[in-house]
Amino acid sequence: GQSLEQPSEVTAVEGAIVQINCTYQTSGFYGLSWYQQHDGGAPTFLSYNALDGLEETGRFSSFLSRSDSYGYLLLQELQMKDSASYFCAVTSMDSNYQLIWGAGTKLIIKP
Amino acid sequence: GAGVSQSPSNKVTEKGKDVELRCDPISGHTALYWYRQSLGQGLEFLIYFQGNSAPDKSGLPSDRFSAERTGGSVSTLTIQRTQQEDSAVYLCASSGDGGAGHYGYTFGSGTRLTVV
Repeated sequence: GQSLEQPSEVTAVEGAIVQINCTYQTSGFYGLSWYQQHDGGAPTFLSYNALDGLEETGRFSSFLSRSDSYGYLLLQELQMKDSASYFCAVTSMDSNYQLIWGAGTKLIIKP
Repeated sequence: GAGVSQSPSNKVTEKGKDVELRCDPISGHTALYWYRQSLGQGLEFLIYFQGNSAPDKSGLPSDRFSAERTGGSVSTLTIQRTQQEDSAVYLCASSGDGGAGHYGYTFGSGTRLTVV
């Protein structure tokens, strides 16, 4: 079967750095995505990794290790507005290239 | 359009009634998805369209749920004989790369369905 694991909740302090991990078990792996969802809002696309390594976009970075079936989202210089749920999702060739979603990580930021 | 548009934004219906939810994707996006999300939960996949055809209907919870897409654009999700467990936010997303994820899915703001 296809499955993803990510922590249900992570707490961090404003201005700090936080890492949200995602491990997956999937056949036909094609890429790993991250989405952000604020309470009451719709998910918004953050990043996509198909190759090993780190992709940086401003304060957010995403990492992938295909050999370890592992990735993470790194958020730097945390701001209160970063409080949200973060979902990892895998694109699988065995699922018609559709996204398979993790259950989400709620990021709580304290002042 | 500039984004994915869903209507209505909120719908309260009586148990047993039928409801129709509409999704207008980004112009030119061939892939369209319906998801359901309960409060504090993850995304539950319902159905996927590529053009007007639905290669994957595996997520539809029961035969009370159906969806169609016409003209490769607007999609309608219909729930017949609604039940209280159908209460959730129904999200629609579209993608321009066939769903592979490179450019991400763009989600609409959702329809919050409440069955009373």
